[in-house]
Amino acid sequence: EAAVTQSPRSKVAVTGGKVTLSCHQTNNHDYMYWYRQDTGHGLRLIHYSYVADSTEKGDIPDGYKASRPSQENFSLILELASLSQTAVYFCASIDRESAETLYFGSGTRLTVL
Amino acid sequence: AQSVTQPDARVTVSEGASLQLRCKYSYFGTPYLFWYVQYPRQGLQLLLKYYPGDPVVQGVNGFEAEFSKSNSSFHLRKASVHWSDWAVYFCAVKGNMGYKLTFGTGTSLLVDP
Repeated sequence: EAAVTQSPRSKVAVTGGKVTLSCHQTNNHDYMYWYRQDTGHGLRLIHYSYVADSTEKGDIPDGYKASRPSQENFSLILELASLSQTAVYFCASIDRESAETLYFGSGTRLTVL
Repeated sequence: AQSVTQPDARVTVSEGASLQLRCKYSYFGTPYLFWYVQYPRQGLQLLLKYYPGDPVVQGVNGFEAEFSKSNSSFHLRKASVHWSDWAVYFCAVKGNMGYKLTFGTGTSLLVDP
């Protein structure tokens, strides 16, 4: 079964600090995504990647960087965390050939104080 | 640009009653449409998907959805709601040549016992 694992499950960070959220998939999927979830906004796309060593900006990339060092791993980096980045973050992957179902991780709850 | 509108932030139904969750999409071209469900503290799971063809699609757990091009809609239905259906439901759209899913803001379904 397709699997997407996120770490940590939750994190508390201080304003101005650096935060790295990690995602690992064992689906052998080419495409990976980072979404953030906020009440009233649903899921919004931050960054995505089609292939290792390459990332693309999504709809709300400001304040975030992404890194795809291998097909299996995709990280989201907040260089200077801000209060407005408090949210739940989801990683997902999709198979290039079928381009059908997005497989989601369980999410990382980030609180910036 | 593609977009999805879920006009109802919250819907309450009695257990055993029928259900309809509304979804309106905007996409210039052939849309691929999805309904995802999010149970408490979990990632999103695919409920059903529509590819061009039969406008009524069946999903898991008795859910179905109907695509209407004239109304730009993809409403989710269930004949008899169970307490375990208590969750947040997201509608999403993507193009037939793309890999980017755009989500609506979600509808929280509450089930009265």
